[in-house]
Amino acid sequence: EIVLTQSPGTLSLSPGERATLSCRASQSVSSNYLAWYQQKPGQTPRLLIYGASSRATGIPDRFSGSGSGTDFTLTIGSLEPEDFAVYYCQQYGTSPGTFGQGTKVDFK
Amino acid sequence: EVQLVDSGGGLVQPGRSLKLSCTASGFTFGDYAMSWVRQAPGKGLEWVAFIRIKSYGETTEYDASVKGRFTISRDDSKSIAYLQMNGLKTEDTAIYYCTRARWPRVGQGWYFDYWGQGTLVIVSS
Repeated sequence: EIVLTQSPGTLSLSPGERATLSCRASQSVSSNYLAWYQQKPGQTPRLLIYGASSRATGIPDRFSGSGSGTDFTLTIGSLEPEDFAVYYCQQYGTSPGTFGQGTKVDFK
Repeated sequence: EVQLVDSGGGLVQPGRSLKLSCTASGFTFGDYAMSWVRQAPGKGLEWVAFIRIKSYGETTEYDASVKGRFTISRDDSKSIAYLQMNGLKTEDTAIYYCTRARWPRVGQGWYFDYWGQGTLVIVSS
């Protein structure tokens, strides 16, 4: 099973700042099949990125994904108030796929 | 607009059964794999079960923690996915989300592009 480790656990930032979230896999993720999800408090998770860098339908372009192999990054270009949430990565290159433990982005 | 409506959760005693339903609309249900993902209180996301489409035999996959106890199924005529949960344990307490699953390539995994609102299952005596 591929283990995904997200860092940092919590990222404290202010609106307008750039957020960089890391997701590291214990072995290479096949075909760079990595997704990112956002979950706001009390809400359902939402798909942001799939295939490491493709934005899902309706996702603003301030969200971008990058990386390959074992190291992946989600970047939020300029934080909006509604972006403060928990972010999860998920690899699906190897069935059945596994989630990271999450990174919380909160207000500094 | 894609919508998934989860239902069937509740309080149940350990060892008992519960059946969750997911009613889909806004897309051709039979063309998509479906899956259930759960989230224990204050915890992260955990995939539970997956079912392929008819042309792939509606074959299923389960996380080891639920294999043999949970059964995922689908009724394409009604656009509903189900999760039958038997032999429930206290550690099954969670919000259960129905998801539409995207399966890009045979032999590999899947991701979740749409999520239901979730239904809470509490297993307690």
